[in-house]
Amino acid sequence: GESVGLHLPTLSVQEGDNSIINCAYSNSASDYFIWYKQESGKGPQFIIDIRSNMDKRQGQRVTVLLNKTVKHLSLQIAATQPGDSAVYFCAENSGDNDMRFGAGTRLTVKP
Amino acid sequence: EPEVTQTPSHQVTQMGQEVILRCVPISNHLYFYWYRQILGQKVEFLVSFYNNEISEKSEIFDDQFSVERPDGSNFTLKIRSTKLEDSAMYFCASSEFAGGWGYEQYFGPGTRLTVT
Repeated sequence: GESVGLHLPTLSVQEGDNSIINCAYSNSASDYFIWYKQESGKGPQFIIDIRSNMDKRQGQRVTVLLNKTVKHLSLQIAATQPGDSAVYFCAENSGDNDMRFGAGTRLTVKP
Repeated sequence: EPEVTQTPSHQVTQMGQEVILRCVPISNHLYFYWYRQILGQKVEFLVSFYNNEISEKSEIFDDQFSVERPDGSNFTLKIRSTKLEDSAMYFCASSEFAGGWGYEQYFGPGTRLTVT
């Protein structure tokens, strides 16, 4: 069935490097996407969102890229810091009454 | 900085009992949500609430669940006759604008529900 999933369960990067976290989705009707960060013991924290009429959106140190052709979403974190270590997951909505979440990628930043 | 708060942080209950999970959304927010996350699994949307009524709900949100805004500050999730599979972390969230999914949601720290 339709699903939202992540390519990799874990990602380890060196402090100061850029991180790229990927997400694949299968619902071609998806029109709104969000990236969340979840630190241990905390609730999800909104990072950035994007609508399907855009292919790129930038925030502070983060960029989301949307490729609707291949149904792929990525989160780029520039100059990754130890405080960026967390689980990151994407979520999508297709205008219906649900928000579907991916399983998550654990990002570990090595000093 | 304003934040969403949830109580209790951990609730243990016996199967078949009723539980009420409490949330205090950010004060000027208009949209409220409940999500759950079973240990090791994805976050799942349960319900959204606006203008004192449910605006959207998922298939998970069956007759066992209900939500209420009993006063101007609290937003509650009631689970009647809890089952073992209801054990999960329950997150409350709120957003400022009456725009459904299109606006940033702020999540609380969660209530861990353990059904024994």
